[in-house]
Amino acid sequence: AQRVTQPEKLLSVFKGAPVELKCNYSYSGSPELFWYVQYSRQRLQLLLRHISRESIKGFTADLNKGETSFHLKKPFAQEEDSAMYYCALSRNNNAGNMLTFGGGTRLMVKP
Amino acid sequence: ETGVTQTPRHLVMGMTNKKSLKCEQHLGHNAMYWYKQSAKKPLELMFVYNFKEQTENNSVPSRFSPECPNSSHLFLHLHTLQPEDSALYLCASSQDPGGVGYEQYFGPGTRLTVT
Repeated sequence: AQRVTQPEKLLSVFKGAPVELKCNYSYSGSPELFWYVQYSRQRLQLLLRHISRESIKGFTADLNKGETSFHLKKPFAQEEDSAMYYCALSRNNNAGNMLTFGGGTRLMVKP
Repeated sequence: ETGVTQTPRHLVMGMTNKKSLKCEQHLGHNAMYWYKQSAKKPLELMFVYNFKEQTENNSVPSRFSPECPNSSHLFLHLHTLQPEDSALYLCASSQDPGGVGYEQYFGPGTRLTVT
């Protein structure tokens, strides 16, 4: 069975500090991983996906199959980055793109 | 209205009531999903519909009954719920039920309280 673990429920940093939100997964197949974000009073939305190898809002995430990790990083945090972040794994098959979510990490960026 | 909409946004019901949650997507997507978000558990997938056909039932109790009359609408019928079913219920849709890395678009959720 697949599992996604986000060990930190809360991460608090000062503006301008580096940020790393941890995500570890277990899955027997070839993983597809995502980071979703939920800003205050907004709906859950995609931040980035590993297959795109993109940087969104200064965030990047690298899939490390050896360590089964997909940590989210940003070199300089901004106050507007404060939000709830969810790591998700897709056990994609022809029946549907089924996401397994981690428990989420609340990021607070202090001024 | 654009995106994924859900009604009602808040619902309080007794354990003997029957109610329904509605989800509508205006994105032309083919797949729709119900998730449950409880206070102490990660977001959990409940049901998946692919071209109106249910393709996943993630061991959900029968007191939750989904219905997908077409690719744009998804319902969750509720009956004889328990207080532990109180949660935020999220609907989502995606462009293609299969494929690689397709984004899911989420609705705002229905906050359900069972008394």
